[in-house]
This record gives sequence, C-alpha cells and structure tokens, in this order.
Amino acid sequence: GAGVSQSPRYKVAKRGQDVALRCDPISGHVSLFWYQQALGQGPEFLTYFQNEAQLDKSGLPSDRFFAERPEGSVSTLKIQRTQQEDSAVYLCASSLGGSQPQHFGDGTRLSIL
Amino acid sequence: AQKITQTQPGMFVQEKEAVTLDCTYDTSDPSYGLFWYKQPSSGEMIFLIYQGSYDQQNATEGRYSLNFQKARKSANLVISASQLGDSAMYFCAMREGNYQLIWGAGTKLIIKP
Repeated sequence: GAGVSQSPRYKVAKRGQDVALRCDPISGHVSLFWYQQALGQGPEFLTYFQNEAQLDKSGLPSDRFFAERPEGSVSTLKIQRTQQEDSAVYLCASSLGGSQPQHFGDGTRLSIL
Repeated sequence: AQKITQTQPGMFVQEKEAVTLDCTYDTSDPSYGLFWYKQPSSGEMIFLIYQGSYDQQNATEGRYSLNFQKARKSANLVISASQLGDSAMYFCAMREGNYQLIWGAGTKLIIKP
C-alpha cells in the first residue's frame, strides 16, 4: 500500500540486546517522526527528521537511543543495551511538511524480557 | 501544566447516536494546529481531522466535525450517527511551532449495539 510501513510489527528481545526498528514513510513525505507510546497513554515525541537531517532529537530518552535517515527516506530507530522500561509501542509518522497532518504506521510493539 | 486535556477517560454511546469528545488546550502561541486521531485496538493511529488556529470555519470530514471555540480554547470532536466501528481510543493533539505535536491522554469510546 501507499501508507507508512513499519517493521517488525512485534519484537521481543532480552534485556541488554540491541534492537533496530524500521520505518518506510509515504513516498514524497519530507518530514518523519518517531514516537514512543506506553500502554494507555498518548504518544511521546522522540525525534524529527526533515529529509536526511535530524532537526530535533530532544525526546530521545537516553544516549542508548539513536535514529537515522541517511537517504531522506527510510529511517531506523536503534536502541542499544535495551532495558525493561524500553517496552512500548514505537510509532513512526510522516508528513509532507512539518506542520502538515502526520500519517502513522501500524507501530512496532517492543517487549523487553 | 497540561497543554492538552481530555477530561473523559471513557465513554459509552448507543449506536447511531451522536457523540462529542472533549478537548481543551493551552497555548500562548497565536499560530497552532489542532488534530484528532483515532487508534483502534489494532494499534494504528488514524488521522481524522485538522483545525488551524486562523481557520474561520469549523473543520468537517464526513461524519467528523470539530467544534472549535477559540476563546474557550476548546476543540471538541463530534461524531455523528456513531457506528460500531467507531469504538477506539481518540486522541486530541496540538501542534505548537513548526512540527511538534503535543498529545492528550485520550478518550476510550465504546459504541453499544
């Protein structure tokens, strides 16, 4: 389809492992966002890209979190040395521009054991 | 202080009735945007409707309308003729500045047959 695609849909990892979450935005969308959503809560902003430039990473909770979008399209969110508190749904969204409505993927549900 | 407040944690509504989901916001920025999203139990975040702070008319999209009362800083979502498929979490979000969305805690809507 033409929507935002995220993979994997589910990820289970042991504490201390590294994980990588992928986001393929809608073609032509300049802006890309990552959010973290805890159960029963609204999303929390993690980081924002405009094309390949990471313009805002103020929401990343620690230096274990790293995001990239090297060619201005697909983005990867990497979490190193995962902790149990990293368990959440990670949502990716894209938009034509920063102020335009954001369109979301189905999310990756991350469980750290 | 909360910037987006959704006062209804949960609502039960009879099928085919109209429903209003409350959202109040707090900002001193004259330029902002207000969004409503729907999140079914499957997890995807679906964009419903957008209202810009300078828009003179209330936004409408099919069965969805946004009751924008700027002086009261409220942006309630109205769903007409509710359907069973409307059962979901509904999030109100505000864009301050160029891109960052601030989210409410959500309202869980259950439509009864």
